[in-house]
Order: sequence, then structure tokens, then C-alpha cells
Amino acid sequence: EVQLVESGGGLIQPGGSLRLSCTASEFIVSSNYMSWVRQAPGKGLEWVSVLYSNGNTYYADSVKGRFTISRDNSKNTVYLQMSSLRVEDTAVYYCARLYTNMWPYNWFDPWGQGTLVTVSS
Amino acid sequence: DIQMTQSPSSLSASVGDRVTITCRASQSISNYLNWYQQKPGKAPKLLIYASSSLQSGVPSRFSGSGSGTDFTLTISSLQPEDFATYYCQQGYSSQSLTFGQGTKVEIK
Repeated sequence: EVQLVESGGGLIQPGGSLRLSCTASEFIVSSNYMSWVRQAPGKGLEWVSVLYSNGNTYYADSVKGRFTISRDNSKNTVYLQMSSLRVEDTAVYYCARLYTNMWPYNWFDPWGQGTLVTVSS
Repeated sequence: DIQMTQSPSSLSASVGDRVTITCRASQSISNYLNWYQQKPGKAPKLLIYASSSLQSGVPSRFSGSGSGTDFTLTISSLQPEDFATYYCQQGYSSQSLTFGQGTKVEIK
């Protein structure tokens, strides 16, 4: 079954750093487009970052310069390194594959179960 | 960035009702528009991609339409399991993939 499993969330103080991991099953991360989407408590979905198979990366303005998306091909895992964390970064972070069968058509599928990041003193 | 605006933000409906949710883009996005369903405590689930293509396994009571800036998600006969929050998302801008703010469908 094609699936994604996130880990690494937790409680962190403002200004701190945290790394989230997302491990894929039944597909190769390096051959696909991978993304992070977050959802603050009681709020809607916010796209955070995308990593294309050619290595290009893009970020939402709200996290640019503070978050970094990367991958480890040997572990079939995507990461989100988060630094200079703010209270407003508190959210459930979802990993998702940005799937395409005919570019530029693309959509998020599948999604991981999410991992909660709480930024608080 | 392309802004996505959904309406309404919430609605109350009864089982069997026909429900329509609208999504408007701040600029033309052709038909690069997707719809997701999210239930409380769960990850979003893809319903519709490329404006009108039904994802495998999704009931046929769900349908999507639109092109350019205006899009619609329709549930032809609302079922108890359809009470959830629905999001549109544009895939036109590959460097910034934005979502609408969501529409919560509640039981009347």
C-alpha cells in the first residue's frame, strides 16, 4: 500500500529547532514530488513547502528562510528542518506526495497521518 | 501568489440534500483545481482532481466542474458520512500551491 508516515513532532520553545521526518512505502521519494502542508488548531490547510524530483525547492512566504525541505534517498525519507520556530508555527504537519500523471496537472495524494508541533514556552 | 476563496465558509444541510460549494481563484488557473475532504482528526482525502476527474474509490455523488477562475464541488445527495470540511487547492502555480479556507458541511 502506498503510504507516508511522519514523525518528529513535539513541544518546542520559541526560537528552537525541530526536524520532521516522512518515510514513504511502495514508492520512491526521489522520483516523486514531495510536500509539507500544515494545519494550525481549528484552522484550514496551509501549504508549506515542496521538493521536486530535480531538487528544486519552494516555500510559503511564512516559512521562507526558516524551514528547509530535503530528502535522504537511501532511507526513502523526506525531512522538514524547522528553525527559529514561532508560536504561530504550532500545527499538525502533514507530509503528502504531489502526484502527477500528466504535468502540470498535480494533486496531493497520499497524505501522511500528521505530526503535531507545539511551539510554546 | 494565487488566492483561493471558498463560499460559503459553512453550511447546514440534511441527508439527501444537494450541496454546492464554490471556489474562486484570484487569477485564471485553467482546470488545475483539486478538491479534498477532511474529517475531524484525520488527514485530508483527495476527492476530485483536474477540476472534474473523480478519484478512484470516491462515490459518484461527488462531482466537480469549472475552469478559469470559478469552480464548483457538488454532492448530489448528501449522506451521513459526507459531513466534513472541504478544501479546494490550485495546482497551477508549481512554486506556491495554495488552498481555499475550507467549507464546513454540518448536519441541519
